[in-house]
Amino acid sequence: DAKTTQPNSMESNEEEPVHLPCNHSTISGTDYIHWYRQLPSQGPEYVIHGLTSNVNNRMASLAIAEDRKSSTLILHRATLRDAAVYYCILSPNAGKSTFGDGTTLTVKP
Amino acid sequence: EAGVVQSPRYKIIEKKQPVAFWCNPISGHNTLYWYRQNLGQGPELLIRYENEEAVDDSQLPKDRFSAERLKGVDSTLKIQPAELGDSAVYLCASSFGPSWEQYFGPGTRLTVT
Repeated sequence: DAKTTQPNSMESNEEEPVHLPCNHSTISGTDYIHWYRQLPSQGPEYVIHGLTSNVNNRMASLAIAEDRKSSTLILHRATLRDAAVYYCILSPNAGKSTFGDGTTLTVKP
Repeated sequence: EAGVVQSPRYKIIEKKQPVAFWCNPISGHNTLYWYRQNLGQGPELLIRYENEEAVDDSQLPKDRFSAERLKGVDSTLKIQPAELGDSAVYLCASSFGPSWEQYFGPGTRLTVT
């Protein structure tokens, strides 16, 4: 499976945008990029996924580099409730998600 | 709509004892997953069911772990006998078919002493 690299931790201020990076230089052409987040003491929660084009939904935006070797999850206005561990995952098959260790996002009031 | 239900939420057992976890997925979700999450790490898929059939159990330690989903709805994951290294959070998730969008339950935190 292709590997992803994420920073261990990031901080942001409340009500400011947050850009969470993910590097995946060995991504294959069939790998989808998807993101989950996990709030403290809860199970993971689906955020977004994409293949080549940028994607937007009510929770976030996913910006995918043209060469697909990196991507960025964008939270447009961070709130305290966005403090969580964010996982960037590659997989060619839906239903087969290999989670890494993720990025712990801290949101400061 | 009710989410994925898991029980118990917490379980403390002594090593060599058996333990079982129960999961009821979201109504209508035919795909069910069991994950294990060690402290400070991301979840690891143990087994995936499509209806009653286990379609991916490559990461399930079959010497001591077993799972069943007899009627294609709820599922049970069992460990017998438990070892100290089995202490972890066991997560259940469900979806409509294999999906990028899986819905997770709150998990069962197992402590083996």
